[in-house]
Amino acid sequence: NAGVTQTPKFQVLKTGQSMTLQCAQDMNHEYMSWYRQDPGMGLRLIHYSVGAGITDQGEVPNGYNVSRSTTEDFPLRLLSAAPSQTSVYFCASSYSASAETQYFGPGTRLLVL
Amino acid sequence: GNSVTQMEGPVTLSEEAFLTINCTYTATGYPSLFWYVQYPGEGLQLLLKATKADDKGSNKGFEATYRKETTSFHLEKGSVQVSDSAVYFCALTNAGNNRKLIWGLGTSLAVNP
Repeated sequence: NAGVTQTPKFQVLKTGQSMTLQCAQDMNHEYMSWYRQDPGMGLRLIHYSVGAGITDQGEVPNGYNVSRSTTEDFPLRLLSAAPSQTSVYFCASSYSASAETQYFGPGTRLLVL
Repeated sequence: GNSVTQMEGPVTLSEEAFLTINCTYTATGYPSLFWYVQYPGEGLQLLLKATKADDKGSNKGFEATYRKETTSFHLEKGSVQVSDSAVYFCALTNAGNNRKLIWGLGTSLAVNP
């Protein structure tokens, strides 16, 4: 049982490049979400999904795209990277949207030059 | 709306000192309250939680009591260790906001030997 896994651990991009941050969980959780963590800003919700085929926006969705074709995977796409997207990205999952414990991945550190 | 306010860090203590990290919240109804911990280089993990007034959550020597009259959920530990050095996040969920987690900004704790 690996829990929540994220790849890559670290990535450097140039402005305008695109990339996909991978997230997978093996706990059969329905709810998955993406956060970004910035100094002094805490954790901010980017996108979330309550099940396969269903996604919705969080508080900072601009510049990011998600899809949920399977229960296990929830990739986050940066369409055209900007320096403002330099951050640490965390994927999290829970049994359901109303479940009170979320399980976090180890994070992806992204630097956009 | 719902919000969480934590004391600003960083907090620096010597080993075996007493720890308090203050957390207050604003919410309608009866939220559930959480403390998550983030060790260096890792994702967040649930430390403890309380789901109703006067409940005490506890784990790994840490405790927090849900105080509805003061809208607080302060984290305490009687004797900290170097291994407790981490960032601590207070959070809440509320049926009124679809049970999304509302996060404090985090408090960094450094424990010196």
